[in-house]
Amino acid sequence: NAGVMQNPRHLVRRRGQEARLRCSPMKGHSHVYWYRQLPEEGLKFMVYLQKENIIDESGMPKERFSAEFPKEGPSILRIQQVVRGDSAAYFCASSPQQGWETQYFGPGTRLLVL
Amino acid sequence: GQQLNQSPQSMFIQEGEDVSMNCTSSSIFNTWLWYKQEPGEGPVLLIALYKAGELTSNGRLTAQFGITRKDSFLNISASIPSDVGIYFCAGPDSGGSNYKLTFGKGTLLTVNP
Repeated sequence: NAGVMQNPRHLVRRRGQEARLRCSPMKGHSHVYWYRQLPEEGLKFMVYLQKENIIDESGMPKERFSAEFPKEGPSILRIQQVVRGDSAAYFCASSPQQGWETQYFGPGTRLLVL
Repeated sequence: GQQLNQSPQSMFIQEGEDVSMNCTSSSIFNTWLWYKQEPGEGPVLLIALYKAGELTSNGRLTAQFGITRKDSFLNISASIPSDVGIYFCAGPDSGGSNYKLTFGKGTLLTVNP
């Protein structure tokens, strides 16, 4: 049973470009959570999605950031017009039901904005 | 929002030594979690604590849930090189959700063979 998969593992973008981060949850998991880890910081919750629905986006910046989890395919975190402060590691976690106990984290995508 | 403060920020030890790190909060947590993040990977849950005063072990790791519910400790005995990584404490957010986690900034552990 493959774990949570994220791609790309590393992404370099210039200021103003778009970044698309993908997360494929574990098999049988329909709940996806995105976290951001700034340098030398802990992970911070961004958004929680369940197939085709955004349940909680309270931790996601209101502008430039969006997330989706379509019926088919991976969850995508999209950052438009990236700025240097977006440089961070972005982790997704998935679970078979809502809750922290069964959240499994992916390896993360390291985004570097030049 | 809730904040978790971890100390020390980093530790550099010799293989075989015991390690102790802690996590404090200004507010009460009802659950304490300890995660390990290895270089280039995501966090992996090591230990979960559910009751004040609880002491739980997982191999060479032992964690305690402080009686005040505002702190927790993680001890690693007889460290080995593969213990290298960042250790995070975490807890469910106080806002009432059962899915949103608050993380500390982590303790970076380096083990010299």
